[in-house]
Amino acid sequence: AQRVTQPEKLLSVFKGAPVELKCNYSYSGSPELFWYVQYSRQRLQLLLRHISRESIKGFTADLNKGETSFHLKKPFAQEEDSAMYYCALSSGTSYGKLTFGQGTILTVHP
Amino acid sequence: GAGVSQSPRYKVTKRGQDVALRCDPISGHVSLYWYRQALGQGPEFLTYFNYEAQQDKSGLPNDRFSAERPEGSISTLTIQRTEQRDSAMYRCASGDGNTIYFGEGSWLTVV
Repeated sequence: AQRVTQPEKLLSVFKGAPVELKCNYSYSGSPELFWYVQYSRQRLQLLLRHISRESIKGFTADLNKGETSFHLKKPFAQEEDSAMYYCALSSGTSYGKLTFGQGTILTVHP
Repeated sequence: GAGVSQSPRYKVTKRGQDVALRCDPISGHVSLYWYRQALGQGPEFLTYFNYEAQQDKSGLPNDRFSAERPEGSISTLTIQRTEQRDSAMYRCASGDGNTIYFGEGSWLTVV
């Protein structure tokens, strides 16, 4: 069975500090990994996916198959990054059938 | 358009009552997904449709839960004989073949 683990429920950093949100997964095949974000009073939305290998809003995430991790990183956090972040995995049966982690609330203090 | 629309946004119902949650997807989106999210947890897959066909209902927790999408557009998730453990946010998403887009969710509280 596939599983996504986000070990930190809460993460607090100061503006300008680096931030890393951890995500580990278990899946026997070749997964597709995503990060979703929900800002206050907004909808849950896609932030980035590993196959795109892109940086969105300064965030990057690298899939490490050896460590089965997909950590989200940003070198200099901004106050507007404060949000709930979910790591998610797709097994490929349907692009929208996702297994989500429990989420991490990121707070960036001024 | 305005995105995926869900109604009602908030619903309080008494235990044992039936509840219907509605999802109006983005126009033209073939796929529609339902998720449930309990407090403190991530979204959990329930079921999905391509057009009007229910492709996968493996996440529906029991036979009190059902979903339909009769004309391949609006979908209804129905919970019969609600129980307190059904209290959660119910999220709908529609997809363009590459990405899914979530609605604002429907908060259900069973008292």
